[in-house]
Amino acid sequence: KQEVTQIPAALSVPEGENLVLNCSFTDSAIYNLQWFRQDPGKGLTSLLLIQSSQREQTSGRLNASLDKSSGRSTLYIAASQPGDSATYLCAVPDTGRRALTFGSGTRLQVQP
Amino acid sequence: DVKVTQSSRYLVKRTGEKVFLECVQDMDHENMFWYRQDPGLGLRLIYFSYDVKMKEKGDIPEGYSVSREKKERFSLILESASTNQTSMYLCASRTPATDTQYFGPGTRLTVL
Repeated sequence: KQEVTQIPAALSVPEGENLVLNCSFTDSAIYNLQWFRQDPGKGLTSLLLIQSSQREQTSGRLNASLDKSSGRSTLYIAASQPGDSATYLCAVPDTGRRALTFGSGTRLQVQP
Repeated sequence: DVKVTQSSRYLVKRTGEKVFLECVQDMDHENMFWYRQDPGLGLRLIYFSYDVKMKEKGDIPEGYSVSREKKERFSLILESASTNQTSMYLCASRTPATDTQYFGPGTRLTVL
């Protein structure tokens, strides 16, 4: 059964820093990986989806990479801002059901 | 923009009540999902539906049922609410065309 792990569980940085969030998965036979953002008490907002054939996907200050062979993905946030404070989750789809298996998330706090 | 709406943001019910959680999506997506999110346990799949009138059990279906009579609407039913069903409930929809899952704002259910 697929397991998804995110490190670190929590991160606090000063505004302006570049930072990297890590995601690892045990079964490398995935066809994509999705990164989400969740604000406290709210639903999930999709940030980026990387197909298995891609190595990177960019949206504004966000860049996600995928290395299937090593079972890892990273989310790079450039020039962090207080508005980036949230929990970031990565998820991979189950091959058959298309439902997602989620990591436990990284709670990010950007200090002004 | 894809929009997934859920009938209530907050709900308080009593033990033994029958509870209906409604989810509506406006993008003609074939697949819909119900997850619950609990501290320390992350997001877990309750039920999913590939298409109208089709439903499949997820990882934690006990105590729940679902209904999908129309493509845009996926309902989660708690037949007899119990205190251990106090949780955040998240609905999502997906189309195979893009593979991105879109989430609703969530319903925080408290069972007293």
